[in-house]
Amino acid sequence: AIWMTQSPSLLSASTGDRVTISCRMSQGISSYLAWYQQKPGKAPELLIYAASTLQSGVPSRFSGSGSGTDFTLTISCLQSEDFATYYCQQYYSFPPTFGQGTKVEIK
Amino acid sequence: EVQLVESGGGLVKPGGSLRLSCAASGFTFSSYSMNWVRQAPGKGLEWVSSISSSSSYIYYADSVKGRFTISRDNAKNSLYLQMNSLRAEDTAVYYCARGYGDQHLFDIWGQGTMVTVSS
Repeated sequence: AIWMTQSPSLLSASTGDRVTISCRMSQGISSYLAWYQQKPGKAPELLIYAASTLQSGVPSRFSGSGSGTDFTLTISCLQSEDFATYYCQQYYSFPPTFGQGTKVEIK
Repeated sequence: EVQLVESGGGLVKPGGSLRLSCAASGFTFSSYSMNWVRQAPGKGLEWVSSISSSSSYIYYADSVKGRFTISRDNAKNSLYLQMNSLRAEDTAVYYCARGYGDQHLFDIWGQGTMVTVSS
């Protein structure tokens, strides 16, 4: 299985900040990477797939980059509704695996 | 509106069984692969099982292989997960999730159903 290291596990930020979350793979996965947002008590929601393609309806302040082993999720201007936990997920090989999650909290 | 609604969760003793259901609406269910993903309390996400649109291809995580069985009924727009020989470590919220394309990518999720395995 492909292992993923997501960092940081906790990120304290203020509204309006630019934040970056990293996801590193144990082996190359081309661009087969997705990002999900999960709010407390809710199901995850797909934000980005193919490393950088925004899912329909996702605000443009979210962006993804990277390929191979290193990937980044960037929120350009943090809004109040963005405080949540974010997970990366690889779908390059079986089994699909998720990162440990990054909780973005209010500073 | 595209929607997935899970049901069937509850409290069960170790070694017991439970059957989860997921009712789909708002899209052509028979055209999509479907998945179960779980999340233990306070923990991250773990893919559990997937089934192709026509049930031709079925996959399981090693942690549930031989104990869980995924199935679907396209006529009823429903997905199922039969869980046998349940263990404490199976305690989690179980989500059904629609597959995006033919990949293990999940674009629509249900609200989840809680399964608690405890004596």
